[in-house]
Amino acid sequence: KAGVTQTPRYLIKTRGQQVTLSCSPISGHRSVSWYQQTPGQGLQFLFEYFSETQRNKGNFPGRFSGRQFSNSRSEMNVSTLELGDSALYLCASSLVSGEDTQYFGPGTRLTVL
Amino acid sequence: KNQVEQSPQSLIILEGKNCTLQCNYTVSPFSNLRWYKQDTGRGPVSLTIMTFSENTKSNGRYTATLDADTKQSSLHITASQLSDSASYICVVSSFNDMRFGAGTRLTVKP
Repeated sequence: KAGVTQTPRYLIKTRGQQVTLSCSPISGHRSVSWYQQTPGQGLQFLFEYFSETQRNKGNFPGRFSGRQFSNSRSEMNVSTLELGDSALYLCASSLVSGEDTQYFGPGTRLTVL
Repeated sequence: KNQVEQSPQSLIILEGKNCTLQCNYTVSPFSNLRWYKQDTGRGPVSLTIMTFSENTKSNGRYTATLDADTKQSSLHITASQLSDSASYICVVSSFNDMRFGAGTRLTVKP
């Protein structure tokens, strides 16, 4: 089975721009979660989607949004980018619930200049 | 104050030795506790997941323990290998929240 894939792997944007990141879960997995990882804050939970519905949300501003499609693929969007948004964005998939074993993708490294 | 505290921050051990990493948490109510291994530049890999009723779980040379009364968990690595060099992250979930420890950076030297 193919693992979780994330595209793009690397991205450079400037302040004020918006960005869309994509995540394809493992086949058959219906739960997709997104995380932000920075050296200063470590790993932080962004949101979880299941069956095209946001099930849980972390403590991030409304500039961070996401969605899930009927094939379980998910996208996250960050609008009006700030320098502090520079981070590794990780996507994880699991069968049904975020409480099942999660399988992480390699991440998208976003740099905001 | 972070609700999940890991210690030590970093650890250096010789190949073949055992080590124990600690995770103390204040997250409440408690749903589950996970340990992840993250190699540099890669996504985390799940090692163990424990719910309230489980006090020990093993995955090969990795054994996690949980004391839900004292809100402490440990990850014991037996017969360390060079490939164990990584960051180990403790994650504690409440029913609608998830809190991450800052991780322990383990280096295994030959």
